[in-house]
Amino acid sequence: EPEVTQTPSHQVTQMGQEVILRCVPISNHLYFYWYRQILGQKVEFLVSFYNNEISEKSEIFDDQFSVERPDGSNFTLKIRSTKLEDSAMYFCATNAPGTRANEQFFGPGTRLTVL
Amino acid sequence: GEDVEQSLFLSVREGDSSVINCTYTDSSSTYLYWYKQEPGAGLQLLTYIFSNMDMKQDQRLTVLLNKKDKHLSLRIADTQTGDSAIYFCAVSYGNNRLAFGKGNQVVVIP
Repeated sequence: EPEVTQTPSHQVTQMGQEVILRCVPISNHLYFYWYRQILGQKVEFLVSFYNNEISEKSEIFDDQFSVERPDGSNFTLKIRSTKLEDSAMYFCATNAPGTRANEQFFGPGTRLTVL
Repeated sequence: GEDVEQSLFLSVREGDSSVINCTYTDSSSTYLYWYKQEPGAGLQLLTYIFSNMDMKQDQRLTVLLNKKDKHLSLRIADTQTGDSAIYFCAVSYGNNRLAFGKGNQVVVIP
């Protein structure tokens, strides 16, 4: 069964460094999402992406964050200058038009630790 | 914004029924979901209910929706050790963005 994959599974970085989290969507999917979960807190929506542009973003997704689909397969989330509070599990999700119940398919997540 | 609340922990004996509850604030969601997360894995859609339904049965799973009280529940019958996981309630709003609860950890005791 096709699945969403994410790399790396765990990223440790120093505060102020840039990180890029990568996601490979299911091949025929057109809608892409990033969510994050800070330890002990809710899974929070960050951004949705369709047709090479951001569809919607939350107040968390400030100008330190960016997304792109650089090569038509990967979908990336970049954090320009990481802060301690960016430490979280980041989930990529994708779906396709007409999917049953608008189901979003999630990757296994990248655990980001900012020191 | 949307708010979704869940209780955090449930332990249950193998063979018993588990019930997980969730409340939400936005009544405009078309679908309401239960996602399951096993250790080291992503969130996997377990079941869902369309907002104009009160109940949905799917094998061992029963979803109840009380729109008046904005309350969603998931009942797992004959709980098995493989059901040990974190269960997330989620509602969709806006442009198909999902709002999740904190998750409910279910531990099944053999």
